[in-house]
Amino acid sequence: EVQLLESGGGLVQPGGSLRLSCAASAFTFSSYAMTWVRQTPGKGLEWVSVFPGTGTSTYYADSVKGRFTISRDNSKNTLYLQMNSLRAEDTAVYYCARGRGPSIWYFDLWGRGTLVTVSS
Amino acid sequence: EIVLTQSPATLSLSPGERATLSCRASQNIISYLAWYQQTPGQAPRLLIYDTSNRATGIPARFSGSGSGTDFALTISSLEPEDFAVYYCQQRVSWPLTFGGGTKVEIK
Repeated sequence: EVQLLESGGGLVQPGGSLRLSCAASAFTFSSYAMTWVRQTPGKGLEWVSVFPGTGTSTYYADSVKGRFTISRDNSKNTLYLQMNSLRAEDTAVYYCARGRGPSIWYFDLWGRGTLVTVSS
Repeated sequence: EIVLTQSPATLSLSPGERATLSCRASQNIISYLAWYQQTPGQAPRLLIYDTSNRATGIPARFSGSGSGTDFALTISSLEPEDFAVYYCQQRVSWPLTFGGGTKVEIK
């Protein structure tokens, strides 16, 4: 079954770090752009970062630039998000999603999400 | 940053009625707009991309239109499963942005 499965969420103190993972199944992972989108409970969607399916350029929202790092391991079909210097406002459900192509920034396959809570 | 403004915030309709949702961009985004549907507890689902192209498996009652700065999603006849929150998203420039959402609720 074609799917994405996030993991790594949890409770972390302000200033702490967390690494999210997104395992992909049943499609050619390396051929697709992959992204992270977050959603504050009860609120809307906020794009976080994207890693294209070709090349190594990555893109970030200003709110996370310099603190978060997106990466991928195509041999493991896995996308990552390293989150450092976490703030209360980073609390959200984090979704990984697949682009419609290597550099097409619409997202046609989503995981179920993993909750990150930043609190002391 | 391109701001997407969705209206109305909430749309109260009955099953079988027609729904028209609006998304207005702060700059010209040509036709690079998508629509997503999200039901409670679920991840978003891509409905429409590049303004008017239905994604795989999306029923024909969903259609999109517009260009430049004004876009619309139309649901021709609401089914019970269509009551949800809908988001628009632009891909013309960084950062990618989503609208604030329109909730379609049962009247």
